[in-house]
Amino acid sequence: DAGVTQSPTHLIKTRGQHVTLRCSPISGHKSVSWYQQVLGQGPQFIFQYYEKEERGRGNFPDRFSARQFPNYSSELNVNALLLGDSALYLCASSIGQGVREKLFFGSGTQLSVL
Amino acid sequence: QQQVKQSPQSLIVQKGGISIINCAYENTAFDYFPWYQQFPGKGPALLIAIRPDVSEKKEGRFTISFNKSAKQFSLHIMDSQPGDSATYFCAASGSFGNEKLTFGTGTRLTIIP
Repeated sequence: DAGVTQSPTHLIKTRGQHVTLRCSPISGHKSVSWYQQVLGQGPQFIFQYYEKEERGRGNFPDRFSARQFPNYSSELNVNALLLGDSALYLCASSIGQGVREKLFFGSGTQLSVL
Repeated sequence: QQQVKQSPQSLIVQKGGISIINCAYENTAFDYFPWYQQFPGKGPALLIAIRPDVSEKKEGRFTISFNKSAKQFSLHIMDSQPGDSATYFCAASGSFGNEKLTFGTGTRLTIIP
């Protein structure tokens, strides 16, 4: 069975640009969460979507947005990129919306902002 | 109050030894405490998790010890093996309206022969 897949795996952008990251959850999983992992730190929660609705938002500026599609895949969008947005962006899926459900993480998208 | 503090930042243990990683939290509303293992180039993978109604949970060589009064919990890896070399993250969550995980800063564990 395929795990959580994220694309692209690596991305280089310049300040001020916009980026879209994509995530396909494990088949049958209806919840997708996004986390930002800065080098040397633990992942930080950005968003959770369940059944195409936003169920949680972390402490990130409005430049960050996301959505979930009818097939439960998800996109994370970041506008007006800053150098500090350079990080590994992780997508995680679970069957239900509660975090006590086992979260399965993808390998992430490494974003570098120059 | 949402922080989870993790120590040590890095740890070197001899093969066959016991690896111990500690975490502490402030928010008493946290009620779920998982540990994640992350290898380079991969996302974190759930290792073991505990709820505060028990003081210890064991799965194979991995044990979580939980001290509710001290607001601390720890991961013990018995008979540590080179394949256990990875970064370990503790995390916590509670019912705050969104079911997010708050992660610690991570411990880079190296098992030497």
